[in-house]
Amino acid sequence: KNEVEQSPQNLTAQEGEFITINCSYSVGISALHWLQQHPGGGIVSLFMLSSGKKKHGRLIATINIQEKHSSLHITASHPRDSAVYICAALDRRGAQKLVFGQGTRLTINP
Amino acid sequence: DTEVTQTPKHLVMGMTNKKSLKCEQHMGHRAMYWYKQKAKKPPELMFVYSYEKLSINESVPSRFSPECPNSSLLNLHLHALQPEDSALYLCASSQEGGQPDSPLHFGNGTRLTVT
Repeated sequence: KNEVEQSPQNLTAQEGEFITINCSYSVGISALHWLQQHPGGGIVSLFMLSSGKKKHGRLIATINIQEKHSSLHITASHPRDSAVYICAALDRRGAQKLVFGQGTRLTINP
Repeated sequence: DTEVTQTPKHLVMGMTNKKSLKCEQHMGHRAMYWYKQKAKKPPELMFVYSYEKLSINESVPSRFSPECPNSSLLNLHLHALQPEDSALYLCASSQEGGQPDSPLHFGNGTRLTVT
């Protein structure tokens, strides 16, 4: 079992739909990252959070430390949101090591 | 535009070649990272430099040799690679390594093909 599990692995939706991607982790963490990777490779850090909720534009990230669970929500989804979304936990045991989930491939159809 | 610049964007090399990947950031970050990413897989950590010193080596084969000549530059020297080393190599930086309030900034990667 991976220390960081994401679901779903693949998600296809229509433009405008509300999207939720989930991340569960079993390690003790000091922070959790949500990353976006478009085809071609570059990774963009969307959020880094250690408690509560953060919002940036149409993106919202939440984390529940007690339940070891985080979610990434996209409101009013758009085809340009199509990408792979990766959850990565900053393991408290290894100060500089991120433990990555397997990623969620999101496709938004017009 | 990313604030972490990687060159080259693409590299094709033979198994007997020696080449280098370069990474540069001017954000004053003191931690820099090399990751390797195979297709449809998450990135795998290779090396971490903190304050220009190698702090983590994830048991990477010696045909990969990192170098941090100064706080803005990170190189990855490649020699006698194997075809299975073909991957996307990503550089990242953060203000301080491993701190909860220190987000990672990634470059766009170098896509390496070993023939």
